[in-house]
Amino acid sequence: DAMVIQNPRYQVTQFGKPVTLSCSQTLNHNVMYWYQQKSSQAPKLLFHYYDKDFNNEADTPDNFQSRRPNTSFCFLDIRSPGLGDAAMYLCATSTRGQGGGETQYFGPGTRLLVL
Amino acid sequence: DQQVKQNSPSLSVQEGRISILNCDYTNSMFDYFLWYKKYPAEGPTFLISISSIKDKNEDGRFTVFLNKSAKHLSLHIVPSQPGDSAVYFCAAMTGGSQGNLIFGKGTKLSVKP
Repeated sequence: DAMVIQNPRYQVTQFGKPVTLSCSQTLNHNVMYWYQQKSSQAPKLLFHYYDKDFNNEADTPDNFQSRRPNTSFCFLDIRSPGLGDAAMYLCATSTRGQGGGETQYFGPGTRLLVL
Repeated sequence: DQQVKQNSPSLSVQEGRISILNCDYTNSMFDYFLWYKKYPAEGPTFLISISSIKDKNEDGRFTVFLNKSAKHLSLHIVPSQPGDSAVYFCAAMTGGSQGNLIFGKGTKLSVKP
């Protein structure tokens, strides 16, 4: 089945220790997104790649970076995790064509715990 | 300032009855709306969407209604089943927003047998 895969499902890291979360997709979608979702909050978009073009949200901290080496993979790097970065991180993909309206398909998420 | 609001954090419904989940938005530029369902420890799953040129979209037991003048949409589930118990997120976007989905905080639906 075509899908969005996130590894690992749970990640524990230490305060200040760099961590990388990964996402892969078999949907061949040209857009990949990273969202952060804290408990009882709405998912919040951090950034997205439209093909190779990186689009950062204005309020995404510099501590968060992303890489997309090819169509299938996208990584979220947190350079110096703080306690406030503990959250669920969701990867999503979509196909962007002409006009508006696109459906995003989500992976299962990676829950990050910062000790 | 929340652009998409789901004012009911939870909803409890009897199996077989109708579930109505509500969502309000403030940005009149939104032109595409989606509902996602989320089970614990899983990512959101796309459920149904509606374009602003329509006022209703139906898919099996799920119907979404859009009232643009009131900036309100609702998701109806008929009949409700215990497997529908999940958190439901309303999301909205504008066609020119490069896909920036704005989510509500979600409503937790519990369907009791």
